[in-house]
Amino acid sequence: NAGVTQTPKFRVLKTGQSMTLLCAQDMNHEYMYWYRQDPGMGLRLIHYSVGEGTTAKGEVPDGYNVSRLKKQNFLLGLESAAPSQTSVYFCASCGIRNFYEQYFGPGTRLTVT
Amino acid sequence: QQQVKQSPQSLIVQKGGISIINCAYENTAFDYFPWYQQFPGKGPALLIAIRPDVSEKKEGRFTISFNKSAKQFSLHIMDSQPGDSATYFCAAHSGGSNYKLTFGKGTLLTVNP
Repeated sequence: NAGVTQTPKFRVLKTGQSMTLLCAQDMNHEYMYWYRQDPGMGLRLIHYSVGEGTTAKGEVPDGYNVSRLKKQNFLLGLESAAPSQTSVYFCASCGIRNFYEQYFGPGTRLTVT
Repeated sequence: QQQVKQSPQSLIVQKGGISIINCAYENTAFDYFPWYQQFPGKGPALLIAIRPDVSEKKEGRFTISFNKSAKQFSLHIMDSQPGDSATYFCAAHSGGSNYKLTFGKGTLLTVNP
């Protein structure tokens, strides 16, 4: 039982490049989330999904896209990376019963130069 | 608009002391108030949570105090230990079919030996 895993752990991009961050969970959770964490800003929700095939915008969705084609996977895409997207990205998931207990992955540290 | 205000931003406590972190909210629709703990290089993890119809919840050295009329809640860490050094986030869950948590900006706790 690996919980929530994220790929990759680190990445450096040049401005304008694209990439996809992969999140996978093995807990059969319905809900999945992508956050970014920046110093002094806490955790800000980018996009989330309440089930396979569904996605919704969070607090800071601009510049990101997501897809949830399979229940266990949630992908975060950056189409044209900008230095403002330098951050640590966390994926989380939770089940219907314990809706307040989100399980977080280990994070992806992204630097855009 | 920040819906959950957390203070202080950072806190230094001596070993054996009491650490207190405070949060305030405006949205009366919030129906659950979890606290998350994050160690450096790791994702946040649920520490303790409380419902608004309970004034206090204790788990070991960790206690949540909840004041519904003042729309405030706080985390108390008794007998603080160096191993408690981490970033702590308060959060609030909106009721109904809203599946999101709103996080405070976090408190960096340092417990000196």
